[in-house]
Amino acid sequence: DARVTQTPRHKVTEMGQEVTMRCQPILGHNTVFWYRQTMMQGLELLAYFRNRAPLDDSGMPKDRFSAEMPDATLATLKIQPSEPRDSAVYFCASGAELLAGGINEQFFGPGTRLTVL
Amino acid sequence: GENVEQHPSTLSVQEGDSAVIKCTYSDSASNYFPWYKQELGKGPQLIIDIRSNVGEKKDQRIAVTLNKTAKHFSLHITETQPEDSAVYFCAASIFSGGSYIPTFGRGTSLIVHP
Repeated sequence: DARVTQTPRHKVTEMGQEVTMRCQPILGHNTVFWYRQTMMQGLELLAYFRNRAPLDDSGMPKDRFSAEMPDATLATLKIQPSEPRDSAVYFCASGAELLAGGINEQFFGPGTRLTVL
Repeated sequence: GENVEQHPSTLSVQEGDSAVIKCTYSDSASNYFPWYKQELGKGPQLIIDIRSNVGEKKDQRIAVTLNKTAKHFSLHITETQPEDSAVYFCAASIFSGGSYIPTFGRGTSLIVHP
């Protein structure tokens, strides 16, 4: 069945290292969202794409975070350099083209649990 | 920007009881309100939603109500079962760039005791 996949599921790294998280949206979906979940802040929207073009990344710390969609089947979120405060679960979600008068549901992946030591 | 408050943060009920989770939002431009259920180790999953032109929506044991004037909406679960135990998130969404962009509440941990 169609689902959003994320890799890796778990990542432990040391402060200063580069981290790349990958997401494969559901085939045919043209919107992709990146979220970060922490106990302190809850679910925060970092960035989202439509037809591979970034529409809004205002939720993302620009100095160290970057998000891209090299092609329609892959979205990446990169942190360089990583810091302990980046420890969180990062979710990717995808949605289909919004039909007139409809709602485009977001389907979440299982998340990447990142720990920065 | 939008601000969503969700209460309670934890809710403990006995199997068969009803559970109610309440949310308020600040931006009157929000016009779509989904509710998500997140089980341990998984991503959030949409369970029910309501649009701003509707006051109430029901799907089997779950229902959502919306009061646009007061800017609050609620999730009601009747005849709770142990498998309803999870974290529930409300969201208030604004339409932008071809999609509904959600702002989430902080979540409610629902525990249903057998």
